[in-house]
Amino acid sequence: SSELTQDPAVSVALGQTVRITCQGDSLRSYYASWYQQKPGQAPVLVIYGKNNRPSGIPDRFSGSSSGKTASLTITGAQAEDEADYYCNSRDSSANHVLFGGGTKLTVL
Amino acid sequence: QVQLVESGGGLVKPGGSLRLSCAGSGFTFSDYYMNWIRQAPGKGLEWVSYISSRASTRYYADSVKGRFTISRDNAKNSLYLQMNSLRAEDTAVYYCARGVSGVVIMYYYYYMDVWGKGTTVTVSS
Repeated sequence: SSELTQDPAVSVALGQTVRITCQGDSLRSYYASWYQQKPGQAPVLVIYGKNNRPSGIPDRFSGSSSGKTASLTITGAQAEDEADYYCNSRDSSANHVLFGGGTKLTVL
Repeated sequence: QVQLVESGGGLVKPGGSLRLSCAGSGFTFSDYYMNWIRQAPGKGLEWVSYISSRASTRYYADSVKGRFTISRDNAKNSLYLQMNSLRAEDTAVYYCARGVSGVVIMYYYYYMDVWGKGTTVTVSS
C-alpha cells in the first residue's frame, strides 16, 4: 500500500503563517484530512474534504491540495495551536486507510 | 451529544487475547463506517482496521491481519476489536473513530470526524 509523508517538525513565530505538508500518491485521487493532537488527548479533525472545517475549528485553519501534495495552513498561529498534526486519506486501492507520520508544530 | 467510548483495554501477556469495545451514542450508528486506530507510546497514529456500515466490508493493516478481527453490532450501537496472538508491539492506546466517505466531482474523501478518548492495551510478561 502507499504512504503519506510529513516533515517531522515545523516551527512558527506567534502570529505568523505556517504550512504543514503531506505527500503521497493517494492524494492524486483523495482529499487529505487533517487532525490536531495535543499531549494526552485524542486527535481532533480540523480540515476535511477540499477545504472544510468542522464546527468549532477556527478559520485560521485551511487546507489545499495540488497533485500529490496536500497542505494545512495556519494563518496567524496561536500558542494553543502547538500540537502534533496528522494527515490522512485512503489508499488509492481503497482497502487501507493511511496516516502520515505526523508533524510536531512548535509556536515560538 | 455525539460520542464514542472505548473499553476493554488492559495488561495482557504476549500470545494472549483481548476484546475491545466502542459504544456510540448521539448519532445513527448504523449509518457510518467505523475504524480502529492505535498509537504506540511516543509514536504516531496507525490505522488498524475498518468496517463498513453493514459490516459487509472489513479491512486490516498488514501488521494485524490474521490476528485481529473487527466486528459491529448495530442494534447495540457497538464496535468491537478481537485481538489474538498479541505481541509487545501491539502495546498502544486504541481509539475508535467514526468514518465518513464520499466523492466530489471525481475526487474522493475519507475522514474520521468523531473519536473516542481511547483505551490502553499493554502487552507484557
